[in-house]
Amino acid sequence: GQQLNQSPQSMFIQEGEDVSMNCTSSSIFNTWLWYKQEPGEGPVLLIALYKAGELTSNGRLTAQFGITRKDSFLNISASIPSDVGIYFCAGQLRPSQGAQKLVFGQGTRLTINP
Amino acid sequence: NAGVTQTPKFQVLKTGQSMTLQCAQDMNHEYMSWYRQDPGMGLRLIHYSVGAGITDQGEVPNGYNVSRSTTEDFPLRLLSAAPSQTSVYFCASSNLAGWRQETQYFGPGTRLLVL
Repeated sequence: GQQLNQSPQSMFIQEGEDVSMNCTSSSIFNTWLWYKQEPGEGPVLLIALYKAGELTSNGRLTAQFGITRKDSFLNISASIPSDVGIYFCAGQLRPSQGAQKLVFGQGTRLTINP
Repeated sequence: NAGVTQTPKFQVLKTGQSMTLQCAQDMNHEYMSWYRQDPGMGLRLIHYSVGAGITDQGEVPNGYNVSRSTTEDFPLRLLSAAPSQTSVYFCASSNLAGWRQETQYFGPGTRLLVL
């Protein structure tokens, strides 16, 4: 099946530091999505990207849709304790490849030391 | 709106038992899907549906059945549970704008342990 490689798998940072994570694939995606999951809950959408090169912000979060359509990154600036959780990227394929199926990365577990 | 609801929250099964995981949404979304989440694997799509009466397989469909008789409900059936099906199961729903999915809303999950 389709694969999304998400890195890093885990991060341990100090409060106030900036965070960067990314996803890459050998396939072209038409949509990139970034989700956050907290313990015992389902993922919640943070940012959606629909165009190659698109740069979108949501508060302290910024995400970009790579020009090649095969990658995306998420940055979190000035991290705070409530940013702790698992962050997932997800991609939606082109219609000819089954656009109704979302492909998820393995997740980045973020831990923040106060 | 309640959003996406899932029942039960926890379930323990013995190998070979059957059960149905329930999922319902009250947002009139066309698209509904089931994922399983295992450590280090992210979320993997089991089955999905783009409308009542229409279902299709995802990445890991073996051992699971689904049906979509109404827009609101999308149950997932395990006909003969196996230990490999121990996982956390998430249901999600979204609108469809042509082929493009709108925002997917996830339920709180069902934790399943198969002994």
